This record gives sequence, C-alpha cells and structure tokens, in this order.
Amino acid sequence: DAMVIQNPRYQVTQFGKPVTLSCSQTLNHNVMYWYQQKSSQAPKLLFHYYDKDFNNEADTPDNFQSRRPNTSFCFLDIRSPGLGDAAMYLCATSSRLGDSGRYTFGSGTRLTVV
Amino acid sequence: TQLLEQSPQFLSIQEGENLTVYCNSSSVFSSLQWYRQEPGEGPVLLVTVVTGGEVKKLKRLTFQFGDARKDSSLHITAAQPGDTGLYLCAGFYSGNTGKLIFGQGTTLQVKP
Repeated sequence: DAMVIQNPRYQVTQFGKPVTLSCSQTLNHNVMYWYQQKSSQAPKLLFHYYDKDFNNEADTPDNFQSRRPNTSFCFLDIRSPGLGDAAMYLCATSSRLGDSGRYTFGSGTRLTVV
Repeated sequence: TQLLEQSPQFLSIQEGENLTVYCNSSSVFSSLQWYRQEPGEGPVLLVTVVTGGEVKKLKRLTFQFGDARKDSSLHITAAQPGDTGLYLCAGFYSGNTGKLIFGQGTTLQVKP
C-alpha cells in the first residue's frame, strides 16, 4: 500500500497560471518535505515542515509556497510557473529530522509548463 | 558547490559486467544512504550505512562506507538489465540540521 501519495502523477499547466500539487501520507510522520528534481539530476530540497513549523531553503524562489493544513496533507503551490519550473516534484516524509528518521518518498508529480 | 560528489554520472555497460559508483565529500557524514530511482517514480531506499568502514550487501549490490565517513561506494556484480536506473547517494551531515542532501546521481544503463 502506498504510504506517501502524490496527486496528480502528471500535471500540465500554462505559463504563469497558479498550480497546486498535493501530497498525503498515512505514516503519521512529523516531517514532510518537497523536493524539485530536473531530468537525471539529484532532488533539490525546496522546504520542509516539522509539524506546523515551515522551513524554507535559502535558495528556494518566492514563487514556491507550501501549506500543511494537518499532519497528513501537504501542498506545493507555484504562484506563477515558468518554463524553468518544469520538473518532477517529490514529496517525502520522515518521523523526525536527522538520520534516525527514515525517509519515504512519494512517486512524484511530473509538472509540464506550456 | 556540490556537497556530495557522485561519479560517474553516466554508465552504460553490458549485462554481466561489474561496476562501481562512488560518492565523495570533504565533509563527515553521520550516515549515508543509497537510493535507486526508476523513470517517473520516486527514489527507493536501498541501504543506510552508519559506521565508518561498514560494508552491507544486498544480493548483488555491495555498499561500503569509508573509514572517515566522507565517502561511500556501491558495487554491482554481474549487472542485469533490471538494474537500470538512477542511483543516488544521500546523507546527513552535522551542519545541515537533519536534512537529506543528495549527490548528482549516476544514470546506469545495462544492455542485454
């Protein structure tokens, strides 16, 4: 059974049109992460939530926002997608920060910007 | 600058060959993880190494953590087409408050 579920698997959006990607988890993990991964590259951390505390990476553009209304759900909002934002977006969870918390990744959402 | 340097970035070999992928850093990591990712899917954890000098085996895959905990290697014996994918090393180091940092990845293609 999938434990970290991302919807949709594929998303096409227009240049400049706001888009929201969703992630849900059944693991009851405290930490949820959003990564951006471009073709054949390493995932790049955008931000994470530890419970309700939001932590943004220093180089994450303001165009990217996130919401976590409850433990199970976390959303990635891209306010004005550009062509350079086309990528795979991965959600991950862990029970706690640090290497004692095992990461579980979702299958990702492939975003295309037209 | 890349905290975790992974090499090679691309590898294309014939079925039955052996290969090694390296993950190096100038920083000490408290642990390193290896993931395998197939196209259109999220990374799947293969192994975590924690102790310097540790060796772990997973069928035909052998993982090693360097004595100084700055490097790791993944060795695949008798590669099969099913091993094709993107291999990522990732780790936690003391300076990053517990966030997982990835290497650039190694794209492996095993031809039948």
